[in-house]
Amino acid sequence: GAVVSQHPSRVICKSGTSVKIECRSLDFQATTMFWYRQFPKQSLMLMATSNEGSKATYEQGVEKDKFLINHASLTLSTLTVTSAHPEDSSFYICSAFPTSGQETQYFGPGTRLLVL
Amino acid sequence: AQSVTQLGSHVSVSEGALVLLRCNYSSSVPPYLFWYVQYPNQRLQLLLKYTTGATLVKGINGFEAEFKKSETSFHLTKPSAHMSDAAEYFCAVSEGGGFKTIFGAGTRLFVKA
Repeated sequence: GAVVSQHPSRVICKSGTSVKIECRSLDFQATTMFWYRQFPKQSLMLMATSNEGSKATYEQGVEKDKFLINHASLTLSTLTVTSAHPEDSSFYICSAFPTSGQETQYFGPGTRLLVL
Repeated sequence: AQSVTQLGSHVSVSEGALVLLRCNYSSSVPPYLFWYVQYPNQRLQLLLKYTTGATLVKGINGFEAEFKKSETSFHLTKPSAHMSDAAEYFCAVSEGGGFKTIFGAGTRLFVKA
């Protein structure tokens, strides 16, 4: 089956530093990937839509200059949290839709970010 | 705009009892509807989905859901709960064929022995 990986699985950083999270589709190509944020015991909040070869589309209230998204290839999207602050601590999850046209998205295992 | 409301943040059932998790949606166009499950420390996985056609859809692990347009509902059921069904369940909606998916708040299912 389709597999999506994320790296790192968890990261601890100091306030003010930037953190990059990678999302890879391992056995399929994905023109479109999504980035979600999940707070403890809460639902997934869609942050942005990542499209290969074009700018990401951000949801209302999500700062595009803070959460930089780059979809460099059909198998890789990256989320960079710039100048991280403690309130950015969360669980970040990506998902990918196969380019083959399937209507199912596949989720990564998530990355837990802790900003001290 | 789309939205999803899951009634009940926590549902507790006895092993062998009926599982019913409620979901109501709002969408301005024919929706695609999904149920996802998240087991502790595992990634989200698709239980079942409705796109078009038959309104009763069957998923993995004995779960099924029925799309009722008149009630704007997509409730998830399983005739007999198993201990392994304990997890967080999310209802989600996307606007017919579109990729963008909006998730409900989730319902945590507890199964008592």
